[in-house]
Amino acid sequence: GQNIDQPTEMTATEGAIVQINCTYQTSGFNGLFWYQQHAGEAPTFLSYNVLDGLEEKGRFSSFLSRSKGYSYLLLKELQMKDSASYLCAVRDTSRGGGYNKLIFGAGTRLAVHP
Amino acid sequence: EPEVTQTPSHQVTQMGQEVILRCVPISNHLYFYWYRQILGQKVEFLVSFYNNEISEKSEIFDDQFSVERPDGSNFTLKIRSTKLEDSAMYFCASSEGRGQGEQYFGPGTRLTVT
Repeated sequence: GQNIDQPTEMTATEGAIVQINCTYQTSGFNGLFWYQQHAGEAPTFLSYNVLDGLEEKGRFSSFLSRSKGYSYLLLKELQMKDSASYLCAVRDTSRGGGYNKLIFGAGTRLAVHP
Repeated sequence: EPEVTQTPSHQVTQMGQEVILRCVPISNHLYFYWYRQILGQKVEFLVSFYNNEISEKSEIFDDQFSVERPDGSNFTLKIRSTKLEDSAMYFCASSEGRGQGEQYFGPGTRLTVT
């Protein structure tokens, strides 16, 4: 089966650091993605991990542990514009040819307060 | 920066009518996808398309749905006889490679079936 879990909501203060966790169980795995989605808009790509470890990209970092089926997205120096949903997605290979199918979690709604 | 475009941004149709949603993927990308997101729910995979044929489809993608690449730039999703439950945001995405790199999402078409 396929299951991706992330917290439904989080709140944080402007300027602070927040960590959004994601755990997954999929039959096949070929990478984990984080997308940002503002209400009514399309998901926009933030980061991608295929190997274990930390990937840093400006204010955003993402970590992956394949053995634990766990990832997190770290947002530093939070700004008001970071208020959005953050979607964890796994590239699932369980059905063979469809190497590029993304399975999304329900998303974490982050509210950044002054 | 190249981007995926979609038209129309909003489509209102009556139940039982046919709709065609249009997408122009990024020009050098070879893999194309449709996802949908019902209001308040997660992003769900519908279908992936490569080399002028479907490479994978989900259980949602039944006989009422079809995809086509009618020319060198457009990629369309057709729903033959719309149902109320087809109301959702429909996102087109494209990627350069099959098992690598990120998928870039278009801005979406909001489909409302009345």
